[in-house]
Amino acid sequence: KAGVTQTPRYLIKTRGQQVTLSCSPISGHRSVSWYQQTPGQGLQFLFEYFSETQRNKGNFPGRFSGRQFSNSRSEMNVSTLELGDSALYLCASSLGVRRSGANVLTFGAGSRLTVL
Amino acid sequence: AQSVTQLDSHVSVSEGTPVLLRCNYSSSYSPSLFWYVQHPNKGLQLLLKYTSAATLVKGINGFEAEFKKSETSFHLTKPSAHMSDAAEYFCVVSDTGGTSYGKLTFGQGTILTVHP
Repeated sequence: KAGVTQTPRYLIKTRGQQVTLSCSPISGHRSVSWYQQTPGQGLQFLFEYFSETQRNKGNFPGRFSGRQFSNSRSEMNVSTLELGDSALYLCASSLGVRRSGANVLTFGAGSRLTVL
Repeated sequence: AQSVTQLDSHVSVSEGTPVLLRCNYSSSYSPSLFWYVQHPNKGLQLLLKYTSAATLVKGINGFEAEFKKSETSFHLTKPSAHMSDAAEYFCVVSDTGGTSYGKLTFGQGTILTVHP
């Protein structure tokens, strides 16, 4: 079956602009999580959506937002871009069932954002 | 709260020799533990997971990890390294309760180099 699909794979923006990234989860997966990966901070959790509701949130400013649609596809948006937002943004999907062993995440290839 | 420490940022081995990547964790609840691998310009691939069943966990490509609660460790091993194992490896913890449920916390990563 198809894996997690992220678009676009690469993009370049300038400071002050905004960007929207898209993630299509594995069919049947209802949870979508977003992570930011940078050389300095490593992999950091942004947020998780389950059934169109934000279920968990990391420690990022309000410029970072997301949403999930009824078909489980998710988008994340970053407004007023800063140089420090340059990163690989990874999306992961899972069944989202909260019991031990069930929440195994499958990751997409990522969207690499460069802010100039 | 949960956290994970990978004790080595770089590990270098010769092809055919054993691999040991070290990981210590802390968790407020019985944790789920994972090892993911990331090849250059690729997303994250799950190697193996521990979810409170057997303490010795077997994963893909000959990798294993042993959960030791008394030492709060989850070290990754492989008897014989292959050139294709060269990548970055992440130890990951996920709480199974509380406000962190479903959120993955990543270690800083260990870059594995395999010499011919």
